[in-house]
Amino acid sequence: QQPVQSPQAVILREGEDAVINCSSSKALYSVHWYRQKHGEAPVFLMILLKGGEQKGHEKISASFNEKKQQSSLYLTASQLSYSGTYFCGTDLYSWGKLQFGAGTQVVVTP
Amino acid sequence: DVKVTQSSRYLVKRTGEKVFLECVQDMDHENMFWYRQDPGLGLRLIYFSYDVKMKEKGDIPEGYSVSREKKERFSLILESASTNQTSMYLCASTPVAGGYRQPQHFGDGTRLSIL
Repeated sequence: QQPVQSPQAVILREGEDAVINCSSSKALYSVHWYRQKHGEAPVFLMILLKGGEQKGHEKISASFNEKKQQSSLYLTASQLSYSGTYFCGTDLYSWGKLQFGAGTQVVVTP
Repeated sequence: DVKVTQSSRYLVKRTGEKVFLECVQDMDHENMFWYRQDPGLGLRLIYFSYDVKMKEKGDIPEGYSVSREKKERFSLILESASTNQTSMYLCASTPVAGGYRQPQHFGDGTRLSIL
């Protein structure tokens, strides 16, 4: 039931773009995205809801394709502060209980 | 801001010991969660609780138990610690209202080493 994230890791130069994907084999109520920096707690970025709703957070945006049960996180014009591990969490039952992917490590270099 | 506090950042225990990890949240959230985080595996749910004295097993409950006697406090118990329970443990909370629309708020984690 754990969603599949890809890629496992990505290295970017400042200003470049990247896409992180999160796929589930089951129908979803929502997809959550979190970022975790080394030694810190995961921090909430955004929630994508059924209906293909697209949300944004500064230059980080995401989409949710309900037919494919896939969400994508878009890092646009990346900044050094975007470095960290990104996790998607999927909610199958609408209780708020999440299944998390294995994470995507993002490194942004000057 | 929601504050989720875990009692220890680092903990070292011996094999066979009974270990208690404590988590307290200050926002009157009904739902509380315990996760284990290992490299390459992401966050895996151990147990969650949706109210006082209510609990449900997550994906990897073996070797763990939990206690929720008060709404703000959720404890994870390793009944007899083993070396394969060496890991980072994260606690999170979220309100019931709005269910899947609510973000989870995480504590800073406890890095537990079992020797």
